[in-house]
Amino acid sequence: EPEVTQTPSHQVTQMGQEVILRCVPISNHLYFYWYRQILGQKVEFLVSFYNNEISEKSEIFDDQFSVERPDGSNFTLKIRSTKLEDSAMYFCASSVLVEFTGELFFGEGSRLTVL
Amino acid sequence: EDQVTQSPEALRLQEGESSSLNCSYTVSGLRGLFWYRQDPGKGPEFLFTLYSAGEEKEKERLKATLTKKESFLHITAPKPEDSATYLCAPLNTDKLIFGTGTRLQVFP
Repeated sequence: EPEVTQTPSHQVTQMGQEVILRCVPISNHLYFYWYRQILGQKVEFLVSFYNNEISEKSEIFDDQFSVERPDGSNFTLKIRSTKLEDSAMYFCASSVLVEFTGELFFGEGSRLTVL
Repeated sequence: EDQVTQSPEALRLQEGESSSLNCSYTVSGLRGLFWYRQDPGKGPEFLFTLYSAGEEKEKERLKATLTKKESFLHITAPKPEDSATYLCAPLNTDKLIFGTGTRLQVFP
């Protein structure tokens, strides 16, 4: 069964360092997303990406964050200068078209710990 | 402002003891409502999508229903393997707005 894969599964970094989280969405999917979940809190939307551009972003997704689809398979989230409060589980998700297929596939997540 | 509230926050059931989880929402431009299951340390796993009031979907011991302001996830005769956090997520434009979830524990 096709799946969304994320790397790394866990990254520990120092405050102020740059981090890149990588995702390989399901191959025929068109919409890509990043969500995050701070420990014990709800899953929060960060950004959606379609046709090689951001289609929507939340207030959390400030200038420190960026996304890129550098080739036909990878989808990355970059945090330029990490803060302690960026510590969370980051989930990548993809869908063919959310409204009609009714399914957004999530990866297993990348746990980011900022020290 | 879009709001999603799930209740109860936690639910402990004996195996075979049926119950319901509630999701109430205020979301502008609602395009559908999703239910997901999340196991500890894992990503959300899709269960159902509901698009209109009155709609029902079933999968094994789970049945989801939708009204204009609420959705219910009914669990019939649950088993220990149904233990997980159940997330409700209305769809607004093209993003899901997740509730905080109901943490379900089913004991044998």
